[in-house]
Amino acid sequence: AQSVSQHNHHVILSEAASLELGCNYSYGGTVNLFWYVQYPGQHLQLLLKYFSGDPLVKGIKGFEAEFIKSKFSFNLRKPSVQWSDTAEYFCAVRPNTGGFKTIFGAGTRLFVKA
Amino acid sequence: NAGVTQTPKFRILKIGQSMTLQCTQDMNHNYMYWYRQDPGMGLKLIYYSVGAGITDKGEVPNGYNVSRSTTEDFPLRLELAAPSQTSVYFCASSYSLGATNTGELFFGEGSRLTVL
Repeated sequence: AQSVSQHNHHVILSEAASLELGCNYSYGGTVNLFWYVQYPGQHLQLLLKYFSGDPLVKGIKGFEAEFIKSKFSFNLRKPSVQWSDTAEYFCAVRPNTGGFKTIFGAGTRLFVKA
Repeated sequence: NAGVTQTPKFRILKIGQSMTLQCTQDMNHNYMYWYRQDPGMGLKLIYYSVGAGITDKGEVPNGYNVSRSTTEDFPLRLELAAPSQTSVYFCASSYSLGATNTGELFFGEGSRLTVL
């Protein structure tokens, strides 16, 4: 069955620290990849997405992610986090061949200390 | 544009009661979805719809029903509520798949349901 694994459930960082959140998926075909963010008390919103082309994609608020096809990975990075980045981050995969379902990872709660 | 609107935002139910979570979108999206979010479990797909009159089960459909009579509306009905249905429910919508459509989901603000 298709699945998405996020390596860390909880991450605590100080402001200005660098962030990397791991995401791996299990699906052999072509996929669209997403990172969604849920700020406290808010709904999920798109942070960035990979569709095709350059495997390094840039999103909002200085986030970026790299798609490594050989590793089935789509890790999220930010060079210097801010207190306002405190949120839950979800990696998601949508198979690109006839499916309508987006599969989500379990999420990573990030807490940034001011 | 309001985007995806869900009501109610909060609800407490007794075991065995029924209720409907409402969802409406004004983006003319064909695809609509209901997810539930449980701590540490991510989002699980309950039901989805690819257009008016067409619905299908997701990963965790038991105990729920949906209908899609219009493009805009996709209500989720809970019959005979159980404590296991305590969760946060999110409605989402997306454009139809196409050459340039990546399937990005647009979410509502969520409905927190507690069954006691």
